[in-house]
Amino acid sequence: DVKVTQSSRYLVKRTGEKVFLECVQDMDHENMFWYRQDPGLGLRLIYFSYDVKMKEKGDIPEGYSVSREKKERFSLILESASTNQTSMYLCASSRAGQLNYGYTFGSGTRLTVV
Amino acid sequence: TQLLEQSPQFLSIQEGENLTVYCNSSSVFSSLQWYRQEPGEGPVLLVTVVTGGEVKKLKRLTFQFGDARKDSSLHITAAQPGDTGLYLCADRGGFQGAQKLVFGQGTRLTINP
Repeated sequence: DVKVTQSSRYLVKRTGEKVFLECVQDMDHENMFWYRQDPGLGLRLIYFSYDVKMKEKGDIPEGYSVSREKKERFSLILESASTNQTSMYLCASSRAGQLNYGYTFGSGTRLTVV
Repeated sequence: TQLLEQSPQFLSIQEGENLTVYCNSSSVFSSLQWYRQEPGEGPVLLVTVVTGGEVKKLKRLTFQFGDARKDSSLHITAAQPGDTGLYLCADRGGFQGAQKLVFGQGTRLTINP
């Protein structure tokens, strides 16, 4: 069964800590994405990558960075965690350039910053 | 920036009833996708529609795409508790040949037994 795996389901971190969220996909997809999901705001794109070592800012990149050293792995980094980064973080992957192709999402990481 | 508006935001009905939820876009959709998200999980793709006026059926779910490709509806017949979840519409468009998904805020559906 093809899937996207996020390393943690729940995380609790302290303000100011550097936080790494890991995502791995086994479908050989070119594109990978990080979203955050908040009540009433829906899913908002943080960063995405369309190839190894390539990255593009999404709608809310401030306070985040990403790394894609291998095709199957896309990491989200919170450089200095703050309480307003408490959220559900969702990783997704997709095949490039096909309108009919959907995203495959991971199960999410619920991050709490205290 | 494209805005997707879904209505209603919340819907709670009894098992066996029918329902319709809506998705409207501020601009023409490139490719409209509907997802369902269950609690504690990521969204799962239900359907993709591309052509204006298109209708697709998935068991008890019927998806319609407006002729002008700026709106869509999802109709569920004889709703069941297993239909409970967050329904999200999304437009797949943007950078380098349709790479990014823009989501609506979702309709949270609860089906009561």
